Amino acid sequence: EDQVTQSPEALRLQEGESSSLNCSYTVSGLRGLFWYRQDPGKGPEFLFTLYSAGEEKEKERLKATLTKKESFLHITAPKPEDSATYLCAVQGGGRRALTFGSGTRLQVQP
Amino acid sequence: DAGVIQSPRHEVTEMGQEVTLRCKPISGHDYLFWYRQTMMRGLELLIYFNNNVPIDDSGMPEDRFSAKMPNASFSTLKIQPSEPRDSAVYFCASSPQGNGYTFGSGTRLTVV
Repeated sequence: EDQVTQSPEALRLQEGESSSLNCSYTVSGLRGLFWYRQDPGKGPEFLFTLYSAGEEKEKERLKATLTKKESFLHITAPKPEDSATYLCAVQGGGRRALTFGSGTRLQVQP
Repeated sequence: DAGVIQSPRHEVTEMGQEVTLRCKPISGHDYLFWYRQTMMRGLELLIYFNNNVPIDDSGMPEDRFSAKMPNASFSTLKIQPSEPRDSAVYFCASSPQGNGYTFGSGTRLTVV
């Protein structure tokens, strides 16, 4: 059974204070690891897909990295508009469904 | 592209009543997923379809839940009878070839 654990559950940063979110996973035959952002009252919004260990992807202040056991979402010089819940999910084996972690609630204070 | 469209956005119903949630996927996407989100359990897969055929319904909690996809542009999730523990946000998502989901805005269901 695929499992995803995210830490910390919540993170409060000052504007400009860089940090990282962690996603640990166990999966049978990783097809992809996904990062989503979810704002209150909205559906998750796709950020990145990583397919193999060593892969990195960037978008504005966000950078996602992948190892064989975990993924990190690095946030550089965050702004208040980066405040959201960040969700990690894995897709394993021949299954098309994603298994999600419980998320990290990020609050960036001005 | 209007994205994945779900209706209604909010539903309040009394225990024992039938509830039907609706979803219109993105045109051309051959996979459709129903998820439920609660504070306690996060996002849980209920069922998914490929080319309108149910592939995995192992996440459907019990016989009170049923889902259909009569054509490529429409799916329903029905709960009959509804119970207070069914209160949650229900999301529909669609995907081309099972990669890169796009989620709808969700239906917030409250059963009183």
